[in-house]
Amino acid sequence: DTAVSQTPKYLVTQMGNDKSIKCEQNLGHDTMYWYKQDSKKFLKIMFSYNNKELIINETVPNRFSPKSPDKAHLNLHINSLELGDSAVYFCASSQESMLGKVSYEQYFGPGTRLTVT
Amino acid sequence: GEDVEQSLFLSVREGDSSVINCTYTDSSSTYLYWYKQEPGAGLQLLTYIFSNMDMKQDQRLTVLLNKKDKHLSLRIADTQTGDSAIYFCAERMLEGYQKVTFGTGTKLQVIP
Repeated sequence: DTAVSQTPKYLVTQMGNDKSIKCEQNLGHDTMYWYKQDSKKFLKIMFSYNNKELIINETVPNRFSPKSPDKAHLNLHINSLELGDSAVYFCASSQESMLGKVSYEQYFGPGTRLTVT
Repeated sequence: GEDVEQSLFLSVREGDSSVINCTYTDSSSTYLYWYKQEPGAGLQLLTYIFSNMDMKQDQRLTVLLNKKDKHLSLRIADTQTGDSAIYFCAERMLEGYQKVTFGTGTKLQVIP
């Protein structure tokens, strides 16, 4: 199946721990994103990478560090987890370097629900 | 400004039309999108409109764009229970490489 996949789907951990979320896309896209969706369903961009290069870095604490080993993968590592980090994290991808009538549609993964206790 | 506002909740009866509204603030937007999020899932693109268009129709979906008022709407004809979800509008800015700003989301409840 062509898609954006994330692992794990659920992650429950204690405050102070370090955890990683992995994302892979097999759509051949050149750009990947991490979004955070809070309990009120507000969706905020955290990072975007284009061809493994960091493009967008919104005001996210330094405890969050994205890593893109190649164009198809964008992982998110979180250090010293806090209660406020509890949310659903979505990975997405799009093809940005295209000419002509394209929509630049973003394809979203199924999300990772992170619960920090 | 980058605020994209939507009303939080809309309830309609099955078979009626639903209209979901969105107000954006950046006049340099190039594309405006409507995404659907079903429970426990990621967002999925429903439709989009380019900023030089006023209207786009795609089967049961009609998108209207009023650039003067920076207002976008999504009309769903003959709303079905399967349309129950959260709907997000989003704008892509001309400046701001690859940045898409999502609205606050509207939860649509379809009553059988």
